[in-house]
Amino acid sequence: EAQVTQNPRYLITVTGKKLTVTCSQNMNHEYMSWYRQDPGLGLRQIYYSMNVEVTDKGDVPEGYKVSRKEKRNFPLILESPSPNQTSLYFCASSWTFDQPQHFGDGTRLSIL
Amino acid sequence: EDKVVQSPLSLVVHEGDTVTLNCSYEVTNFRSLLWYKQEKKAPTFLFMLTSSGIEKKSGRLSSILDKKELFSILNITATQTGDSAVYLCAVEALRDQGAQKLVFGQGTRLTINP
Repeated sequence: EAQVTQNPRYLITVTGKKLTVTCSQNMNHEYMSWYRQDPGLGLRQIYYSMNVEVTDKGDVPEGYKVSRKEKRNFPLILESPSPNQTSLYFCASSWTFDQPQHFGDGTRLSIL
Repeated sequence: EDKVVQSPLSLVVHEGDTVTLNCSYEVTNFRSLLWYKQEKKAPTFLFMLTSSGIEKKSGRLSSILDKKELFSILNITATQTGDSAVYLCAVEALRDQGAQKLVFGQGTRLTINP
């Protein structure tokens, strides 16, 4: 089954404790992206990757890092999480940047 | 600043009613407009619109784009309780460096009562 898989689905953690949210897709897509979804603000892009080893900042990149060492995986790293990063996070992928994206089921992060 | 505005933000109707959801946008370097349906989890793709005036249909759902007036509508006829969801409008635009970005609206929460 074609899918985008995120882990964990839920996480409650404390300020400053490094965490990684994994994202993996099995569709051989070139383009991958991370979004956060906050009430009243819609989805906002954090980082994106056009293909392997190519990543760039989206609209709200502060406090996040990503890497794209292989085509299928695009982890999101919070080196020193803060409460304002409490949000619902989605990973998405598509064949190219101008094709509709497939979204994962989301990761709900709570930073205390 | 690129902006996508959806209206209404919330809508409650009875099963069988027809609903129209609105999406207006102001972006530079417009490429396309997309509609997604979000139930409890991942947004799922509904339509991608690139040309004005050409209606896209999928069962009871249809959508059209007006690039002159900068808006799109999503129609759902004969609504069912399974249509209850948040409907997201997103506009694809190009960043300065040539990469794509999706600008999302706040979403319309549609509730269908039996």
